[in-house]
Amino acid sequence: EDQVTQSPEALRLQEGESSSLNCSYTVSGLRGLFWYRQDPGKGPEFLFTLYSAGEEKEKERLKATLTKKESFLHITAPKPEDSATYLCAVQGGNLIFGKGTKLSVKP
Amino acid sequence: GAVVSQHPSRVICKSGTSVKIECRSLDFQATTMFWYRQFPKQSLMLMATSNEGSKATYEQGVEKDKFLINHASLTLSTLTVTSAHPEDSSFYICSARETGYSNQPQHFGDGTRLSIL
Repeated sequence: EDQVTQSPEALRLQEGESSSLNCSYTVSGLRGLFWYRQDPGKGPEFLFTLYSAGEEKEKERLKATLTKKESFLHITAPKPEDSATYLCAVQGGNLIFGKGTKLSVKP
Repeated sequence: GAVVSQHPSRVICKSGTSVKIECRSLDFQATTMFWYRQFPKQSLMLMATSNEGSKATYEQGVEKDKFLINHASLTLSTLTVTSAHPEDSSFYICSARETGYSNQPQHFGDGTRLSIL
């Protein structure tokens, strides 16, 4: 059964304090791993797609990496506006989502 | 690009009312759209896959007579919650993926908060 587990559940950082979010997955036939950002009361906003182990993608302060069993979302020198819930999802058959990591960045 | 519009954003209505939610892809065509339900602090749960010009595919445990889906064009899918009851209160989100790109990301609407009194 396809499964996605994200950790930690919640993360509080000071502005400028870099950290990483983890997404562990099991899927039969990975067709893509996706990272989304979700603000309260809104739908998920697409960030990155990763297709194969070793692949990396970057966007501003965010960098996503992929291995055969997990993906990391690295946040470098975060700002308060980076506060959101970050969702990881894997595409095998259907798109399966993790429960997300709620990130809070304090000024 | 890849904008999905969902309306309404919030609905409050009495028990027994039917509620229609629209999902539109604004700048791309989508043969397939998806409907999700999200409970607080939980994952997005796929309810059904909406296919243009054919019947929707429902996930196990989702009542097709309760949640009617119509995908009448390549840019519009609708979800109708029939005879809604308080237990149907939730956050409903649609998504769409551009036709012909099965490994591309789904793009999401901003969701509909449904509250049944």
